[in-house]
Amino acid sequence: EPEVTQTPSHQVTQMGQEVILRCVPISNHLYFYWYRQILGQKVEFLVSFYNNEISEKSEIFDDQFSVERPDGSNFTLKIRSTKLEDSAMYFCASSTSRDGSNTEAFFGQGTRLTVV
Amino acid sequence: QKEVEQDPGPLSVPEGAIVSLNCTYSNSAFQYFMWYRQYSRKGPELLMYTYSSGNKEDGRFTAQVDKSSKYISLFIRDSQPSDSATYLCAMSARGFKTIFGAGTRLFVKA
Repeated sequence: EPEVTQTPSHQVTQMGQEVILRCVPISNHLYFYWYRQILGQKVEFLVSFYNNEISEKSEIFDDQFSVERPDGSNFTLKIRSTKLEDSAMYFCASSTSRDGSNTEAFFGQGTRLTVV
Repeated sequence: QKEVEQDPGPLSVPEGAIVSLNCTYSNSAFQYFMWYRQYSRKGPELLMYTYSSGNKEDGRFTAQVDKSSKYISLFIRDSQPSDSATYLCAMSARGFKTIFGAGTRLFVKA
C-alpha cells in the first residue's frame, strides 16, 4: 500500500541551527502539506503546496520556515534558525484532492524534532 | 470560541461497547469533515470523511454530520482493544486550511 515516508524519524539540533525535514509523498498525489504537533497539543496546519508553490500557510509559518520540492519525489521543510519552541512532531501529508480541500490526506509517521 | 471543540477524554469503555466520539465547531463554512485515528507517536490515519451533512458507514465505524447543529460524531460498534488510540476530528472547506480538534483518547479494556 502506498504511503508517505518521512526522514529522519528523530532529529536533535542545537538552537539556532538549520534543519531540513524530508518527505516523500505518495507518487500520484498533487497536494502536499506540513503539520506540526507539539507534545500533548493538537495537530496544527503549517503550509500547503500545489503546483510548485505555496497555496496556503498559517500564521505559524513565518520567515524562518520554507518548503521546497527539489525534485519529482521529495518535499522538504526547512527551518532556518531553530528555536526551543520549534520542538514538535512534524507531519508531512499528501492528497489527490483536485479542489484542494485536503479531504483525504494521508500522513507520514512524522519526524520528531528536538531543539536543545 | 474555538473553531473546533473536542473533549480530550480519556474515555474508557469495555470491549464490545459502542463508542460515541463528538466534535462541535463554530465556522458554518466547513464542508468537509474527517476523523483520524492516531496511535501514540504515530501519524494520524484517515478513518472517515464526509462531505456536508449526513451519515457514512464503513464496517464498525459510522460518521455523522449535522451542519444545522454544527456537530459531528463518530460511532464505533463492537469496540476492540486495538481501537485504543486518540481520535481526531478535522474539518475544512474549499480554500480553507484543515482545522483539527484536540483529539479524544480512547481506551478499550479487554
